[in-house]
This record gives sequence, structure tokens and C-alpha cells, in this order.
Amino acid sequence: NAGVTQTPKFRVLKTGQSMTLLCAQDMNHEYMYWYRQDPGMGLRLIHYSVGEGTTAKGEVPDGYNVSRLKKQNFLLGLESAAPSQTSVYFCASSFDRNTEAFFGQGTRLTVV
Amino acid sequence: DQQVKQNSPSLSVQEGRISILNCDYTNSMFDYFLWYKKYPAEGPTFLISISSIKDKNEDGRFTVFLNKSAKHLSLHIVPSQPGDSAVYFCAASDSGTYKYIFGTGTRLKVLA
Repeated sequence: NAGVTQTPKFRVLKTGQSMTLLCAQDMNHEYMYWYRQDPGMGLRLIHYSVGEGTTAKGEVPDGYNVSRLKKQNFLLGLESAAPSQTSVYFCASSFDRNTEAFFGQGTRLTVV
Repeated sequence: DQQVKQNSPSLSVQEGRISILNCDYTNSMFDYFLWYKKYPAEGPTFLISISSIKDKNEDGRFTVFLNKSAKHLSLHIVPSQPGDSAVYFCAASDSGTYKYIFGTGTRLKVLA
């Protein structure tokens, strides 16, 4: 029972490089989310999706793009990485509104 | 503009005593509230939730209290155990937007 799986777990990027973080869930959840966690800032919502083919902006969307082509996958893209995007990224999913969200293990990204 | 606030970055409690973690929110549209626990290098895990139609919800050693007029919720852990040492996040959602907004977290240390 995998739940929410994030790939990769660690990554180091050079400034200006691009990359995609993959989130996969096997719980048939409609809603999926990408958060970043920074010291003293808690978890901040980057983008979210309320169903296959839909995406919406969260609190800190600048510099990121997302896609939800399949219900089970939610991709987070960085087109041109910046040191300010050094963070731990968490993906989450939930079955419905007003239900708990399940989180992945996180991706630690360092941009140098 | 921080819509969900946890004003105590850290808390230390003796084993067996009560731990009380506090959370304040500003958005009156929030109608569902959750508490998550996070260990280092892991994703947050769901603890307990409460709907805005209730003022209390219990699950074993964990109780969440909601005071809507004060826009305040608290998590009580009784009795506290060393394994409860973690960072605790409160979160809130507005069923009209499907987003979960998190606080900055409180690091709880339970002393043996």
C-alpha cells in the first residue's frame, strides 16, 4: 500500500536548470497538492488540483508550473531553478474536501 | 498575510503531563481544521480534525478544541509521551476553495 510517492527524494540543481518532481498516489484521490517547507515558514501551498486536467494557484506559485494529465499523477515543474527554490517539497492528496490529506515523504531540493 | 498562525515555535513538557498546542486563524470562511504531526525527514501525518459545526473532537490521547468566536483552536495531548516529540502543524480549509492552509508549526519536546 504505497499511498503517496514522490520522485526523486533528493536533488541538487544548478541555477537556471529545469526539473520535474513527480507525485503519484494510488488511493484514487481527486485532490492533489504541492507544498514547500522552509524553516520558520511552515508548509506553503504552491499549486493544487481538484481533478484530472485541472490546476490552480496556491499561496506561492511563482516560478513553478504543474500538470495533472492523469488522476493519479501530479507533476511540479521548475523551468529555471533559482537558489530561493531550495526547499523541501511535499506532495499530498485527499479524497474530498474537508477530509484529511495524505502526504508523501518529501523531496529535498538544493539549487546552487 | 498569514491566515493560520502558531505563535509558539517550541514547547517542552514533562512526560505524563498535558501538552497544549495553540493555533489562531483569521479567515472566517475556514470550516474544517486539522492537526498534523511531523518527524524529521518524513512527511506530515494526520492526527485529528474538527469541523466548524463542532467545538470538540477526541481521539484517544488527542483532543482538539475549536472556539469559532475567538478564531482559535488547540490540541491537547494527555498524557504526553516521549514519542510525541515532533513538529505539530495546524491547518485549515475552506470548502469553497479546497485548499489546506498550514501554520508555521510548533516543535514539541516531551522530556522523559
